[in-house]
Amino acid sequence: DIQMTQSPSTLSASVGDRVTITCRASQSFADWLAWYQQKPGKAPKLLLYKASTLESGVPSRFSGSGSGTEFTLTISSLQPDDFATYYCQQYNSFPYTFGQGTKLEIK
Amino acid sequence: EVQLVESGGGLVQPGRSVRLSCAGSGFTFGDYTMSWVRQAPGKGLEWLGFSRGTTFRGTTKYAASVKGRFTMSRDDSKSIAYLEMNSVKTEDTAMYYCARHRDGFIDSFRFWGQGTMVTVSS
Repeated sequence: DIQMTQSPSTLSASVGDRVTITCRASQSFADWLAWYQQKPGKAPKLLLYKASTLESGVPSRFSGSGSGTEFTLTISSLQPDDFATYYCQQYNSFPYTFGQGTKLEIK
Repeated sequence: EVQLVESGGGLVQPGRSVRLSCAGSGFTFGDYTMSWVRQAPGKGLEWLGFSRGTTFRGTTKYAASVKGRFTMSRDDSKSIAYLEMNSVKTEDTAMYYCARHRDGFIDSFRFWGQGTMVTVSS
């Protein structure tokens, strides 16, 4: 199984900050990686797929990059609506696996 | 508008069975792969497996953690996917989500249901 490890687990930031979340894979793969945002009591929401492709309707302040074993999610200028938990997911091989999540908190 | 609605959760005794349903609308259900994902209280996301549409003979794939105990099926004529959970354990307590793949079966999860909670307890 491919293990996905996110860092940091918790991130405190302020509105307007630029933040980056890293996702490291235990095995290398191309770009079959997705990022999701989840708010309390809600289902996850797809933000990016294929590592860097923005899902329709997702604000352009979200961006993704990476390949191999290291991937990043960047939010260029945090908005109040962005405080949530973020998960990466690999769908390169079975079983599909998620990172443990990064909770983005208001500083 | 794509919608997914799960149902069937509730309080289940250990060792018993429960069947969850996921009703889809707003898209051609049989054209898409449907995954099940669970989230234990306060924990992260765990992919359980998927079922492909009848075009692909309803092929299924399971995570090792549930293989042999959980069964995924679907009725594309009714636009419903099912998750049959047998011999449930306390550690199966979680919110269960169905999710529609974005396009192919090797793909991210574009649409999610609101989830149905399963609590395993005596």
